[in-house]
Amino acid sequence: SQQGEEDPQALSIQEGENATMNCSYKTSINNLQWYRQNSGRGLVHLILIRSNEREKHSGRLRVTLDTSKKSSSLLITASRAADTASYFCATDTGGGNKLTFGTGTQLKVEL
Amino acid sequence: DTGVSQDPRHKITKRGQNVTFRCDPISEHNRLYWYRQTLGQGPEFLTYFQNEAQLEKSRLLSDRFSAERPKGSFSTLEIQRTEQGDSAMYLCASSLYTGGIRELFFGEGSRLTVL
Repeated sequence: SQQGEEDPQALSIQEGENATMNCSYKTSINNLQWYRQNSGRGLVHLILIRSNEREKHSGRLRVTLDTSKKSSSLLITASRAADTASYFCATDTGGGNKLTFGTGTQLKVEL
Repeated sequence: DTGVSQDPRHKITKRGQNVTFRCDPISEHNRLYWYRQTLGQGPEFLTYFQNEAQLEKSRLLSDRFSAERPKGSFSTLEIQRTEQGDSAMYLCASSLYTGGIRELFFGEGSRLTVL
């Protein structure tokens, strides 16, 4: 079963614009991670935010976490065509044993 | 290349045949995970190993599925008597567990098509 639901399911923007993706989850978490997947490829880890953190930055990425609303957002600033991919949130729901992935947001960045 | 490798990358088989996928994790990683991903969906957890011990299996993993990780190194995922519903991308990931899950390192996946 999918723990997270990403919103929107698909997003199309112009190069240079910012892209924001949201993730909602159902149960309490230890941490939340974001991954990227290019078409037909494996997933690549982008960033991890712990349940006691509210915001984290990595390069052009900014992640926020609101545990009271059970939601997270991923912001990609100054997007590039190479950012075109699917983005998934994943939660560690306790026990530290596995990640449960959301349904993903398909991002398309057009030149 | 010291990343996670999976073999084969693509497998086409007829319904009822058995298939086996292999995953070679990053050598120092003690945890190995198998996920399944269908088109337009996120990866779904199947099973994971810590060293050679299989510690959890999803209800998705029917009796036709079996996974092993002998000697805590590479892992195999076998599907017996394949069905068309088994068509999916099978993803392997590894991580170094030291208490609390951290990032997973994924292979490129093995895409299975059952005709």
